[in-house]
Amino acid sequence: SQKIEQNSEALNIQEGKTATLTCNYTNYSPAYLQWYRQDPGRGPVFLLLIRENEKEKRKERLKVTFDTTLKQSLFHITASQPADSATYLCAPAGAGNNRKLIWGLGTSLAVNP
Amino acid sequence: DAGVIQSPRHEVTEMGQEVTLRCKPISGHDYLFWYRQTMMRGLELLIYFNNNVPIDDSGMPEDRFSAKMPNASFSTLKIQPSEPRDSAVYFCASSIPGTQETQYFGPGTRLLVL
Repeated sequence: SQKIEQNSEALNIQEGKTATLTCNYTNYSPAYLQWYRQDPGRGPVFLLLIRENEKEKRKERLKVTFDTTLKQSLFHITASQPADSATYLCAPAGAGNNRKLIWGLGTSLAVNP
Repeated sequence: DAGVIQSPRHEVTEMGQEVTLRCKPISGHDYLFWYRQTMMRGLELLIYFNNNVPIDDSGMPEDRFSAKMPNASFSTLKIQPSEPRDSAVYFCASSIPGTQETQYFGPGTRLLVL
């Protein structure tokens, strides 16, 4: 069955450093993968989407990579700020279904001032 | 745009009672998703609709759960009878037509079944 794994341990980094979050998937090849941010008590908010034929995508301080050989996506936040503290969710598309997302449990990021 | 609207925001009920959660998607969005989120299992897709038609309900846990979408601007998720293990945050999300697969989430309904 399709399985998504994200760093289970919370990530604590110093302000200004680069945060790197990992998402691994097994047993299938998603057509694309999305990253979302979730703050406590709120719904997830879309950040970036990367397709299987793209190696890298950037948006301001955010960068996502997609390695279909390793079956892994990396999510980077450069020049991190305390306001980046949140839970980040990886969501690859379901096998054979472009609208159904399979969600990881998320990685909690804390950026310390 | 008001975004996805969900009601109620919080619901406390007793085991055995019927619970109805409501969702208004963003105008013009033709996909609607119902999710349940818990600490242990994360976000789980329960059911999704396209143009008001249920496409995939394989995530609905059992017959106690049902969902409807009578028109493009309204959907309900009903639990009858409710059980303590149904306690979770329920999210509704909508998505625009075409090749953009981004999902826009509502604020969620926090359900506690005693």
